Amino acid sequence: DTAVSQTPKYLVTQMGNDKSIKCEQNLGHDTMYWYKQDSKKFLKIMFSYNNKELIINETVPNRFSPKSPDKAHLNLHINSLELGDSAVYFCASSQDPAWYEQYFGPGTRLTVT
Amino acid sequence: RKEVEQDPGPFNVPEGATVAFNCTYSNSASQSFFWYRQDCRKEPKLLMSVYSSGNEDGRFTAQLNRASQYISLLIRDSKLSDSATYLCVAILTGGGNKLTFGTGTQLKVEL
Repeated sequence: DTAVSQTPKYLVTQMGNDKSIKCEQNLGHDTMYWYKQDSKKFLKIMFSYNNKELIINETVPNRFSPKSPDKAHLNLHINSLELGDSAVYFCASSQDPAWYEQYFGPGTRLTVT
Repeated sequence: RKEVEQDPGPFNVPEGATVAFNCTYSNSASQSFFWYRQDCRKEPKLLMSVYSSGNEDGRFTAQLNRASQYISLLIRDSKLSDSATYLCVAILTGGGNKLTFGTGTQLKVEL
């Protein structure tokens, strides 16, 4: 059974479009995260939710809007996609906000053309 | 200057070699440190924690020097399967654990 799953795995879209990435975890964790890994392989946190509540919100354009319908799901919606949004987006979860080990999903490779 | 800095490599080593990676962090308020491993086109996975007293897990040894704000990872008797990118991670706690990743050091173990 996959612990943290993301869909889609690959996403190719044109500039200006709006797209969503979904994430689900079946670990019973309270906390979920979105990370962006750019072409230089630099992995940076974007958002974190604990029990559906936003607790970390890094400096991210407001075109990115996370949504957590319940603690097992954290989706990422991106409006008006730009070339610079091309990256791999990883979802992760941890037992709670204070727990250090995070389990990552397989990633969604987004290409904006 | 990045908050967590690593030599990107690649480090190309023969099987059986001992290899060491270093990492420095700039935020002295960072409280916890870890090494994650990321295989090519895969997600990062926790490798081990890093303590001031040192932490050994089989062929892997991690060390923290808070005074110098320096973290190390030593891999003994390298295996082909150790080929991956090793990510140094510092954690700032308070309001949720914020993991700050280094850019990673790529290791290639060759026959």
